[in-house]
Amino acid sequence: DVKVTQSSRYLVKRTGEKVFLECVQDMDHENMFWYRQDPGLGLRLIYFSYDVKMKEKGDIPEGYSVSREKKERFSLILESASTNQTSMYLCATLTSGNTIYFGEGSWLTVV
Amino acid sequence: GQNIDQPTEMTATEGAIVQINCTYQTSGFNGLFWYQQHAGEAPTFLSYNVLDGLEEKGRFSSFLSRSKGYSYLLLKELQMKDSASYLCAVKGGSYIPTFGRGTSLIVHP
Repeated sequence: DVKVTQSSRYLVKRTGEKVFLECVQDMDHENMFWYRQDPGLGLRLIYFSYDVKMKEKGDIPEGYSVSREKKERFSLILESASTNQTSMYLCATLTSGNTIYFGEGSWLTVV
Repeated sequence: GQNIDQPTEMTATEGAIVQINCTYQTSGFNGLFWYQQHAGEAPTFLSYNVLDGLEEKGRFSSFLSRSKGYSYLLLKELQMKDSASYLCAVKGGSYIPTFGRGTSLIVHP
């Protein structure tokens, strides 16, 4: 079974702090994604990566950056957290067999 | 751009059948997913359709009509544990999955 691990499940950060959300997958998939999920808005794509060191902006990249130095790890970075970034963040991979696997989610509260 | 529409909320009775519709307008089409998400949990895979027609998997079936930009998820013999959000997602021409806002299904006794 594919495993997508988000190491931080629940975080509380202060406005202006730098935040790292880590995602690791164990199946050598090229495609990885970061979404945020908010009530009434569904899942919105922040960034995606289709290979090491490759990244593309999604629909809502403002205020975020990403890093993919190794194939198995895709990190989401909030350079200066703001209260409107309080949300649930989901990492996902897309297999060649056309299945999207999600991590458990990271609940971020910015105060 | 991509536009995916599904009803916000539906209610149904335990043991009944419910159909959740999804319509989409995308630049290109490379497949449609259905996911189930219980409150506080990550979405889990239900189905993937890329060709027209009905795919059945136990109590759940998914239908696709590419010419109409339409899909539905059919849930039979509803159980209380089926109360969840159901997410429709489309892979457009860019192969990137775009999600609808989800349909919250409430199953009552």
